[in-house]
Amino acid sequence: GQNIDQPTEMTATEGAIVQINCTYQTSGFNGLFWYQQHAGEAPTFLSYNVLDGLEEKGRFSSFLSRSKGYSYLLLKELQMKDSASYLCAVRDRSDSWGKLQFGAGTQVVVTP
Amino acid sequence: ETGVTQTPRHLVMGMTNKKSLKCEQHLGHNAMYWYKQSAKKPLELMFVYSLEERVENNSVPSRFSPECPNSSHLFLHLHTLQPEDSALYLCASSPGGGGTDAQLFFGSGTQLSVL
Repeated sequence: GQNIDQPTEMTATEGAIVQINCTYQTSGFNGLFWYQQHAGEAPTFLSYNVLDGLEEKGRFSSFLSRSKGYSYLLLKELQMKDSASYLCAVRDRSDSWGKLQFGAGTQVVVTP
Repeated sequence: ETGVTQTPRHLVMGMTNKKSLKCEQHLGHNAMYWYKQSAKKPLELMFVYSLEERVENNSVPSRFSPECPNSSHLFLHLHTLQPEDSALYLCASSPGGGGTDAQLFFGSGTQLSVL
């Protein structure tokens, strides 16, 4: 079966760094996505990894190790607006459309 | 704005009611999806349409009935729902293809409460 695990909640202070881990066990692998979802809003795309290594995009970075079934999202210089749920999602097939398997999300709380 | 619009934002219905959720995407995408999001649980894929043809139906009860009249519009028709169907229903679209073209663009969802 499919299994994507990430911590339920993390708390950090403004200006700090937080690392959200995601481990996955899926029948196939064709890419891993991270999404950010503020309460009452649509999930929005943050990053995509398909090869091993680190992808950096401003204050956010995402890392992938396919052999370990592991990814993390690194949030640097935390701001209050970064308080949100962060969703890890794996594409396990190579269809022409994007069916994604999601984790339950990690609620990040940024405190002053 | 993600380019995917859902209406209504909130819906309260009784178990005997019939209602419909509407989704419209302005991105020219080929695939559209319905996901269910319950508190503390992963998003559950319900239906997928690719080029207006249903390609996935994940054992969803028949009280949920999707309709995709064209590549820009998607509906979810609801009838005789149960209280456990209360959740956030998210519509999404994607360009169709591999790599980052598998990225989903989500609407803000319809928060459904079944009494």
